[in-house]
Amino acid sequence: DTGVSQDPRHKITKRGQNVTFRCDPISEHNRLYWYRQTLGQGPEFLTYFQNEAQLEKSRLLSDRFSAERPKGSFSTLEIQRTEQGDSAMYLCASSLPPIGGGAPQETQYFGPGTRLLVL
Amino acid sequence: GEDVEQSLFLSVREGDSSVINCTYTDSSSTYLYWYKQEPGAGLQLLTYIFSNMDMKQDQRLTVLLNKKDKHLSLRIADTQTGDSAIYFCAEIITGGGNKLTFGTGTQLKVEL
Repeated sequence: DTGVSQDPRHKITKRGQNVTFRCDPISEHNRLYWYRQTLGQGPEFLTYFQNEAQLEKSRLLSDRFSAERPKGSFSTLEIQRTEQGDSAMYLCASSLPPIGGGAPQETQYFGPGTRLLVL
Repeated sequence: GEDVEQSLFLSVREGDSSVINCTYTDSSSTYLYWYKQEPGAGLQLLTYIFSNMDMKQDQRLTVLLNKKDKHLSLRIADTQTGDSAIYFCAEIITGGGNKLTFGTGTQLKVEL
């Protein structure tokens, strides 16, 4: 396994259209996270899953956004009725649960991101 | 509250040391991380430090943590042109769920 993968890498859409992004985490990582990064800013947390359960959602995640991880492996992030303000890089990360020694709790490894442009 | 700040830009000459600074406001941080982002790419984990440590060294990277002042720094020795990128510090807060809170990033430019 070479790391977290995301698809597509780039997406251009018109305002009002729906888009869906996919994230495949590192094998055996049971935690999966979505972040959004706008130009010139650091990533902001959107939501995270442990296995198939969505455990936390940010206030940034409006009702037009929905994330799923039905089988506890890959995840999808859907944005309905896209707006120009949704233009950003959407980053996915995965991690193991807390383990003793070695790497710290929940070290998150990131994918290459999906860059969304809403026209 | 959660607020992580970084200076926006740093320029150094190849071979010099770079020091990237970060301040945070939440004293409940457990782990603090440094990530590197190259243009159009995702985030690459560089190193981390546990909040009960003062210093951590990893090859060319040295992380210093001053918990009293809530100040974190990343020193890159013998900076190379390949080190040009945006560097983000991030924290995970005890009891704050599992989200990373990132700074705004410092763009490092390495000149010949």
